[in-house]
Amino acid sequence: RKEVEQDPGPFNVPEGATVAFNCTYSNSASQSFFWYRQDCRKEPKLLMSVYSSGNEDGRFTAQLNRASQYISLLIRDSKLSDSATYLCVVNILVKDRGSTLGRLYFGRGTQLTVWP
Amino acid sequence: DTAVSQTPKYLVTQMGNDKSIKCEQNLGHDTMYWYKQDSKKFLKIMFSYNNKELIINETVPNRFSPKSPDKAHLNLHINSLELGDSAVYFCASSQSRTSGKDTGELFFGEGSRLTVL
Repeated sequence: RKEVEQDPGPFNVPEGATVAFNCTYSNSASQSFFWYRQDCRKEPKLLMSVYSSGNEDGRFTAQLNRASQYISLLIRDSKLSDSATYLCVVNILVKDRGSTLGRLYFGRGTQLTVWP
Repeated sequence: DTAVSQTPKYLVTQMGNDKSIKCEQNLGHDTMYWYKQDSKKFLKIMFSYNNKELIINETVPNRFSPKSPDKAHLNLHINSLELGDSAVYFCASSQSRTSGKDTGELFFGEGSRLTVL
């Protein structure tokens, strides 16, 4: 079973639409959570962290439900430039030779295309 | 200035050959990684080094050998290339993956697209 599961999509929405992506994680010891964005044939880049209380950054809202082990990303008023793959990422702290080590696990990503 | 740079960007080679990919970061980060992204776009960690010390070694064939001459460089050498090695290999760095400085943000290089024929 994968650590992080995402619906791969694709999601095709018109400009101005609201779209939501979901992600579930399997390890209850997961400590911190993120959404990354990857444009076609480019490297992934951090979009936003996800906090327990939920957080917003402009048109983007991230939510975390620890009880259900579920993370979401909501994009309002979609723009053409939002077209990309959105990767759900989970950080799990593990003990390794006396140190605490953070290990990031990536979901396979959800593809979004916004059309005019 | 490119923060994480890797070379080459594209690599086309025959099965059985040996090849290397180099990575350098100028962010002053302690930790560097190699990730593999296959044709299904799944991004999977291969190795991680913290201050030149190997800290993560996922289940990767021993044909893959990372080397970190200093904390700003992490190279990947691949022996006896196979068709299944075709993928995009991303180098990344972060401030520190040991507790205390962890922001969860990885800075990725642009990727090295390896095609094995």
